Amino acid sequence: EPEVTQTPSHQVTQMGQEVILRCVPISNHLYFYWYRQILGQKVEFLVSFYNNEISEKSEIFDDQFSVERPDGSNFTLKIRSTKLEDSAMYFCVGGTGGSYEQYFGPGTRLTVT
Amino acid sequence: DQQVKQNSPSLSVQEGRISILNCDYTNSMFDYFLWYKKYPAEGPTFLISISSIKDKNEDGRFTVFLNKSAKHLSLHIVPSQPGDSAVYFCAASLDTGRRALTFGSGTRLQVQP
Repeated sequence: EPEVTQTPSHQVTQMGQEVILRCVPISNHLYFYWYRQILGQKVEFLVSFYNNEISEKSEIFDDQFSVERPDGSNFTLKIRSTKLEDSAMYFCVGGTGGSYEQYFGPGTRLTVT
Repeated sequence: DQQVKQNSPSLSVQEGRISILNCDYTNSMFDYFLWYKKYPAEGPTFLISISSIKDKNEDGRFTVFLNKSAKHLSLHIVPSQPGDSAVYFCAASLDTGRRALTFGSGTRLQVQP
């Protein structure tokens, strides 16, 4: 069964540095999302992406964040200048759009020091 | 902002017995509900869902019940197995065509052999 893949599995970065989290969604998915989970807290929606543009974003997704799908396969989340509070597990998620179900990748643990 | 609540942080049941996980929501605009299961160091895995036009959906050992008037849903696992031990998240989606999921805080289920 196809799965969402994410790289790297763990990223350690210094505060103020830029990070790019990468994802390869399932090929027949049309909707793409990023969610995050800070340790001990809820899974939180960041952004949804459809037809090569952002369709919805949360208040967390400020100007420091950006997403793109440059080559039709990879889906990336960029954080321009990381803060300590960006430390979390980031999940790449996909869906077909024909149903509400969303399928999560294994996550990238981001640690900002 | 706790639109989706899981008031029991943990639940312990004996193997073979029924596990009942509960979820409450406050936003009457939610029209689709999902349950996810999460093992440590993995992404949430979609388990079962229910539309607001139904009051029950069953898939093997898993059944979700929805009580719209009470804004309450529950997940029943019968019979419970040790492999079901995980954190279970309730999630909800709005009916506006938006796809962002709002998650509860999760319930850790432990099934004792």
